[in-house]
Amino acid sequence: GAGVSQSPSNKVTEKGKDVELRCDPISGHTALYWYRQSLGQGLEFLIYFQGNSAPDKSGLPSDRFSAERTGGSVSTLTIQRTQQEDSAVYLCASTRDRFTDTQYFGPGTRLTVL
Amino acid sequence: DAKTTQPNSMESNEEEPVHLPCNHSTISGTDYIHWYRQLPSQGPEYVIHGLTSNVNNRMASLAIAEDRKSSTLILHRATLRDAAVYYCILRDLRVGFQKLVFGTGTRLLVSP
Repeated sequence: GAGVSQSPSNKVTEKGKDVELRCDPISGHTALYWYRQSLGQGLEFLIYFQGNSAPDKSGLPSDRFSAERTGGSVSTLTIQRTQQEDSAVYLCASTRDRFTDTQYFGPGTRLTVL
Repeated sequence: DAKTTQPNSMESNEEEPVHLPCNHSTISGTDYIHWYRQLPSQGPEYVIHGLTSNVNNRMASLAIAEDRKSSTLILHRATLRDAAVYYCILRDLRVGFQKLVFGTGTRLLVSP
């Protein structure tokens, strides 16, 4: 079946511009997570959604970062006034079962801020 | 968050077994042990998880020490495609949905 998809796969933007990253989770998956991975760094949690609500936003690095999820499905991560340190691969994952919580990851969006 | 410790890197030859260790001396009784791996230029993928008993699936086996303070991911016959970073992660089964806390993992190199 279809896995988690993310778009765009690559995004190059200029410092100060806003960007939107999209995640389409696996159909029927209740929870959706956003992570990011900077060059040579580990994976860092950003935010997660259960349905359309975000019980844990603790990983968002600043108020320039926001995310929403509509219809319990698609999610958008928005970065306003991008900075060079925002350059990273942004990964989305979804999960169906709250007990084992196996997370299925998308291929990521590589964001480059010039 | 409960901590895990893994070697930075390991090497193996193709078609040989690989044992990837993970120490988690502060594990609590309600922590599952999860393993994920990340192939080059891809998102992480789930490998296996367990609580107390050893587990087998089509990808790997997970051997859990009797005191649960360590575990070992076993790839029975490494292939070139198994070259990846392997992450050992603890997850509290009482919490339900929760973020994964990734450490630095073990980079597995597989030689032909």
